[in-house]
Amino acid sequence: NAGVTQTPKFQVLKTGQSMTLQCAQDMNHEYMSWYRQDPGMGLRLIHYSVGAGITDQGEVPNGYNVSRSTTEDFPLRLLSAAPSQTSVYFCASSLRPVSGIRTNIQYFGAGTRLSVL
Amino acid sequence: TQLLEQSPQFLSIQEGENLTVYCNSSSVFSSLQWYRQEPGEGPVLLVTVVTGGEVKKLKRLTFQFGDARKDSSLHITAAQPGDTGLYLCAGAVSGTASKLTFGTGTRLQVTL
Repeated sequence: NAGVTQTPKFQVLKTGQSMTLQCAQDMNHEYMSWYRQDPGMGLRLIHYSVGAGITDQGEVPNGYNVSRSTTEDFPLRLLSAAPSQTSVYFCASSLRPVSGIRTNIQYFGAGTRLSVL
Repeated sequence: TQLLEQSPQFLSIQEGENLTVYCNSSSVFSSLQWYRQEPGEGPVLLVTVVTGGEVKKLKRLTFQFGDARKDSSLHITAAQPGDTGLYLCAGAVSGTASKLTFGTGTRLQVTL
């Protein structure tokens, strides 16, 4: 039972390089989200998706792109890495919340630790 | 803009002590969750509260949702070293259940 799998676990980039953080889930969850975690700021939402083919921006979307071609995968692309993007990135998935029945409970991957020099 | 503020930011206590962590907002939430995160791992859900005034207990942890659904608290009785971690509250604003807003986090260290 893999749950949410993120790769790579660690990555060092030079300013201006691009890369893709991978996220896959095997729980058939409709919702998937990307967060970044910085000291003293909790988790901030970058982008999220409520289903294949549907994505939307979160609180801090600048510098990141996403796509959702399948239910299982939700990659996060850094187009031109900047030192400000040094962070720990978490992917999460959840079942669609249903009012009065089910809330948006997030299942998280183990994270990708990214350093941009 | 951080919708959810947690206090305290850091807490270092000895085994056996009690503590309370607060999660406050000016926004109304349809539901509020508490997660715990250990080093090198992603957050894991502890509890969800959905009704104003609701109290839930999980062994030595007691969670309360404010009557106006704008705040919550987590109380730990007789803390143990295994309670060490980062505690995060997260809320779904009414009408935007697809997005969770996370609090700033409270880092708890319990020593022997």
